[in-house]
Amino acid sequence: AQTVTQSQPEMSVQEAETVTLSCTYDTSESDYYLFWYKQPPSRQMILVIRQEAYKQQNATENRFSVNFQKAAKSFSLKISDSQLGDAAMYFCAYNKWSNDMRFGAGTRLTVKP
Amino acid sequence: DTGVSQDPRHKITKRGQNVTFRCDPISEHNRLYWYRQTLGQGPEFLTYFQNEAQLEKSRLLSDRFSAERPKGSFSTLEIQRTEQGDSAMYLCASSLGLGGPGYGYTFGSGTRLTVV
Repeated sequence: AQTVTQSQPEMSVQEAETVTLSCTYDTSESDYYLFWYKQPPSRQMILVIRQEAYKQQNATENRFSVNFQKAAKSFSLKISDSQLGDAAMYFCAYNKWSNDMRFGAGTRLTVKP
Repeated sequence: DTGVSQDPRHKITKRGQNVTFRCDPISEHNRLYWYRQTLGQGPEFLTYFQNEAQLEKSRLLSDRFSAERPKGSFSTLEIQRTEQGDSAMYLCASSLGLGGPGYGYTFGSGTRLTVV
């Protein structure tokens, strides 16, 4: 079974600085997809960034980028120029067959003004 | 299309009562998923539909839980004889199956259930 581990229950960052959230996963598959989702307080979960395992190039979406290390089964999220609106729970997720996305326990990110 | 809608947003019920939640997915999405999220945890998969067919159910989905998607559009999740351990956020998500697993899911805002 695939498992997703987020070892940082909480992180904080100063506004305008950079923060990295960690995620590791366990799988025996070679092709799969990884995601970072953001869940603001009392609001719906939204997709931040996705990575296809067969692509070596790290995905980037504006201020969000990932460091995908396939051999190490590591998938960290870097948020640059942090903004107050980035404060949320961040979930790392794994998907292979699109019918059973697996999530980590989440990292609560606080942004300090 | 305003995304995935869930109703109600909050539900407080007494232990032993039945509750039903509704999810309206994005209209062109043929896949619909139910997840449960307890405090401090990530969402856990409950079940998924492709069109009107329920194709997979988690072990978390006990006999007290039933889900339907009668016409391949909206879905309902019913919990019978609720227990305090059922208190959680119930999330619905949808996706376009033809888009493949790489496109992720679109989530609703969830229904928060409190069993007292």
